[in-house]
Amino acid sequence: KQEVTQIPAALSVPEGENLVLNCSFTDSAIYNLQWFRQDPGKGLTSLLLIQSSQREQTSGRLNASLDKSSGRSTLYIAASQPGDSATYLCAVPYGGATNKLIFGTGTLLAVQP
Amino acid sequence: NAGVTQTPKFQVLKTGQSMTLQCAQDMNHEYMSWYRQDPGMGLRLIHYSVGAGITDQGEVPNGYNVSRSTTEDFPLRLLSAAPSQTSVYFCASSYSSIRLYNEQFFGPGTRLTVL
Repeated sequence: KQEVTQIPAALSVPEGENLVLNCSFTDSAIYNLQWFRQDPGKGLTSLLLIQSSQREQTSGRLNASLDKSSGRSTLYIAASQPGDSATYLCAVPYGGATNKLIFGTGTLLAVQP
Repeated sequence: NAGVTQTPKFQVLKTGQSMTLQCAQDMNHEYMSWYRQDPGMGLRLIHYSVGAGITDQGEVPNGYNVSRSTTEDFPLRLLSAAPSQTSVYFCASSYSSIRLYNEQFFGPGTRLTVL
């Protein structure tokens, strides 16, 4: 059964620092991987979706990479800002479908001013 | 576009009561789903639908019913609420279950407490 792990569970960094969030999955037969952001008490906002054929996707200060063979994805945040403080979740499809998702438990990021 | 909307935002029920959580999307998405989010357990799939009239069970379907009579709406019914159903419920949608580029969009959530 597919399992998704995110380490660390929590991370605190000073403003301006570049940082990397990690996501690992046990079954490399995935169609894609999606990164989300969740603010306290809010819903999930999609950040990036990487297809299995891609190695990375970029959006602004965010860059997500995917290495299927090693079962890993990273989310790189450049020049972090206090507004980046949130929980970051990764998710992969399971059961041969492209949109039944298994989620990691997330990394809680705090960017200190 | 309003995206994915959910009502109510908050709800308190007593054990044994029933209720329906509403979800609607205006993006003409074929695929819709319900997740619950519990501390330390992440989000887990309850039920999903690949189109009007078609639904199926996810990872944790017990105690919940769904139906999909229109493309836009996908309500989640709790038949007899139990304290174990205290959670935050999210509805999500995406274009299709067969497209590889299948970005999913989530609603703001419904916080349910069962006493």
